[in-house]
Amino acid sequence: KAGVTQTPRYLIKTRGQQVTLSCSPISGHRSVSWYQQTPGQGLQFLFEYFSETQRNKGNFPGRFSGRQFSNSRSEMNVSTLELGDSALYLCASSLGGGRPGEAFFGQGTRLTVV
Amino acid sequence: AQSVTQPDIHITVSEGASLELRCNYSYGATPYLFWYVQSPGQGLQLLLKYFSGDTLVQGIKGFEAEFKRSQSSFNLRKPSVHWSDAAEYFCAVGAWNNNDMRFGAGTRLTVKP
Repeated sequence: KAGVTQTPRYLIKTRGQQVTLSCSPISGHRSVSWYQQTPGQGLQFLFEYFSETQRNKGNFPGRFSGRQFSNSRSEMNVSTLELGDSALYLCASSLGGGRPGEAFFGQGTRLTVV
Repeated sequence: AQSVTQPDIHITVSEGASLELRCNYSYGATPYLFWYVQSPGQGLQLLLKYFSGDTLVQGIKGFEAEFKRSQSSFNLRKPSVHWSDAAEYFCAVGAWNNNDMRFGAGTRLTVKP
């Protein structure tokens, strides 16, 4: 079956702009989690959506937001971009449920803020 | 809250040699533990996971890991490393009803010919 698809793969934005990233999970998976990966901070959890509801949220400012649609596809939005938002943004999908699922990651979106 | 420490930032081994990557976790309840591998420019691929039961778990690509509750460790091992194993390895811990996984800082593996 198809894996996790993230679009676009690469993005260059200017400080102050906003950006929307997309993630299509594996068919049947209801949980989508987003992570930010940077050389300095490593992999940091942004938020998780399960059945269109935000279930968990990491320690990021309100400029970072997300949503999930009825088909489980998810988008994350970053407003008022800062240079420090340059990172690889990874999306992971899993079945969801009580036990943390076996998460399958997409290839990520590389965001560069100039 | 759960956390993970990977003490080794970078490890170099010769091809054919054995490998052990260290991972220590901190979590008050039953941990759910994972090892992922990331090749340059790629996402993360799950190598293996531990939820309960047998403390020695087998994964893909010939990797295994041993859960030791007394040492709060979940070290990854491979008896004979191949050049294609060069990548970055991440240990992660998750919690019940929570896909907020906490990742270690990663260990970069270099394989010498």
